[in-house]
Amino acid sequence: GENVEQHPSTLSVQEGDSAVIKCTYSDSASNYFPWYKQELGKGPQLIIDIRSNVGEKKDQRIAVTLNKTAKHFSLHITETQPEDSAVYFCAASPYNFNKFYFGSGTKLNVKP
Amino acid sequence: KAGVTQTPRYLIKTRGQQVTLSCSPISGHRSVSWYQQTPGQGLQFLFEYFSETQRNKGNFPGRFSGRQFSNSRSEMNVSTLELGDSALYLCASSWTSGGGNIQYFGAGTRLSVL
Repeated sequence: GENVEQHPSTLSVQEGDSAVIKCTYSDSASNYFPWYKQELGKGPQLIIDIRSNVGEKKDQRIAVTLNKTAKHFSLHITETQPEDSAVYFCAASPYNFNKFYFGSGTKLNVKP
Repeated sequence: KAGVTQTPRYLIKTRGQQVTLSCSPISGHRSVSWYQQTPGQGLQFLFEYFSETQRNKGNFPGRFSGRQFSNSRSEMNVSTLELGDSALYLCASSWTSGGGNIQYFGAGTRLSVL
């Protein structure tokens, strides 16, 4: 089955700096790649997603890039703010199943 | 528009007991998926229900089961609880089944097995 690896496990940045989280996947059948943010005591919240027919997608301070050949995708957060502090998960989903394979998570700490 | 609602939020059970968790999807959503989240194993897929039928199943023992009702609400049952079943159980809903669907998560049910 699919295997998603996520790095780094923890990331500490200064407010205003950029943060980058990287994920790799193994199954070429995966074609949908969402990113979730999980705050303490809450469920994961979708922040951005990308499909395999797109190389890059941006939404204000957040962007995601996808390299299908290398089977990796990355989350970029610019101008980080303290409220960006949370755990971020990447996921991969095969084209015919409503099933997500999640990365192990990245704990992002934005220092004021 | 109400989000995904999971009840109860917290549960404490003892080994050997059974438990039932409930999930109400976003109105109009017909697919409900369940995930287990633990510090050691992360987020793992349990199963998906669509139109009252189980569509996909993860690698969990038969003690974990679920069902979906005609109004798309879903329940998950764990029988003969073990200490290792302590986890946050998350429910996610989406419009339909098949791949590439956005899934919206509830806040989860925190299960503690003593």
